[in-house]
Amino acid sequence: QVQLVQSGAGVKRPGASVKVSCRTSGYTFTKYGLSWVRQAPGQGLEWMGWIGPYNGNTYYGQKFQDRVTLSTDTPTTTAYMELRNLRSDDTAVYFCARGGTLEPGKPYYYYGMDVWGQGTTVIVSS
Amino acid sequence: IQLTQSPPSLSASVGDRVTITCRASQGINSYLAWYQQNPGKAPKLLIYAASTLQSGVPSRFSGSGSGTDFTLTINSLQPEDFATYYCQQLDSYPLTFGGGTKVEIK
Repeated sequence: QVQLVQSGAGVKRPGASVKVSCRTSGYTFTKYGLSWVRQAPGQGLEWMGWIGPYNGNTYYGQKFQDRVTLSTDTPTTTAYMELRNLRSDDTAVYFCARGGTLEPGKPYYYYGMDVWGQGTTVIVSS
Repeated sequence: IQLTQSPPSLSASVGDRVTITCRASQGINSYLAWYQQNPGKAPKLLIYAASTLQSGVPSRFSGSGSGTDFTLTINSLQPEDFATYYCQQLDSYPLTFGGGTKVEIK
């Protein structure tokens, strides 16, 4: 079955960087886009950005574009999200989610984000 | 594009019919999805393209709307439905979420 398995939780100092991985299985990796979404404690969902594994194209939310880099490794069907210059308000659970595919006659995100990773907790604290 | 969900929370009983609304700040055709999230868990896709039920989701969930106004309805609320629900627009970047609606037990 389709699965997205994320790396484990971590504690980081302010100013440091974190790189979260999202290992995929059960589908053709290059056929679907991947988004990253975060959720601060007690808050709602916040979309961070998207990467298309088939060509490496990315789109970042304006709030994150100066500090985040999304990447993929096709041989291992793994996606990565690196967030730099961490601040205390980056403390959150970070999710990867599969979404977006090219299908004739349908918009790219027609099927929504149908499979999610389990989430990775990142705590930023001195 | 901003999405405004209402109400932010509601209390309901098992068997009730519940309606959650999502309003977009501009037209998004039918490019809207609904998700359910339980505490400590990842969101789960319920409905895509505004009204299409994701495979495996119970038929008591339904979605409607297009343009700027959308609705998620849960008929005959079940104990496992007490959760937080989010809408998401998939029309254009950034792919924004609504603020969420927490459905609590009355």
